[in-house]
Amino acid sequence: DAKTTQPPSMDCAEGRAANLPCNHSTISGNEYVYWYRQIHSQGPQYIIHGLKNNETNEMASLIITEDRKSSTLILPHATLRDTAVYYCILTGTASKLTFGTGTRLQVTL
Amino acid sequence: EAQVTQNPRYLITVTGKKLTVTCSQNMNHEYMSWYRQDPGLGLRQIYYSMNVEVTDKGDVPEGYKVSRKEKRNFPLILESPSPNQTSLYFCASSRRTGFTGTEAFFGQGTRLTVV
Repeated sequence: DAKTTQPPSMDCAEGRAANLPCNHSTISGNEYVYWYRQIHSQGPQYIIHGLKNNETNEMASLIITEDRKSSTLILPHATLRDTAVYYCILTGTASKLTFGTGTRLQVTL
Repeated sequence: EAQVTQNPRYLITVTGKKLTVTCSQNMNHEYMSWYRQDPGLGLRQIYYSMNVEVTDKGDVPEGYKVSRKEKRNFPLILESPSPNQTSLYFCASSRRTGFTGTEAFFGQGTRLTVV
């Protein structure tokens, strides 16, 4: 699976939108973009995934560029409970999720 | 409620004393997997199972065993634990073989300390 690059940390004020970027310039045609988050040392939690089109669910929106080389996870109204490490992962036919170091999002008052 | 349940949540044991960490899912998922998480190394896959009686090694299988006798359970066995197996362990499951096009559910984790 292709690799992803994420900033190590970001801050966001509570109530504002958190935009978390991810670069995946070597993504292949059958690879999905997945986002998970891990709050403290809890089990990772699925957020959203997409292949080509932008996606939205009750937790977040996923914007994928037309060339699919990068994506952005948007938490529209961040709260303190959204403080976590966010992982951008690519997966095609592999039998595992390869977690990188992710982005540590700190939401502040 | 859909969930993956691991037990125990915390365990301190001594070197060489066999132990089993249980994992159970209630979603009728075919695919299950074990990961360990260590500071600076992220989550690494230990073993996975694509269905009952089908298991395979992940990236760091040494010192671990697994079994998949029923669909819902996927225990992780440490026959002779050593201090380098001190880690945070997660079990995961998903509907399809592999993780493509479907979400994975993770357990709450088992923090194991081997002294």
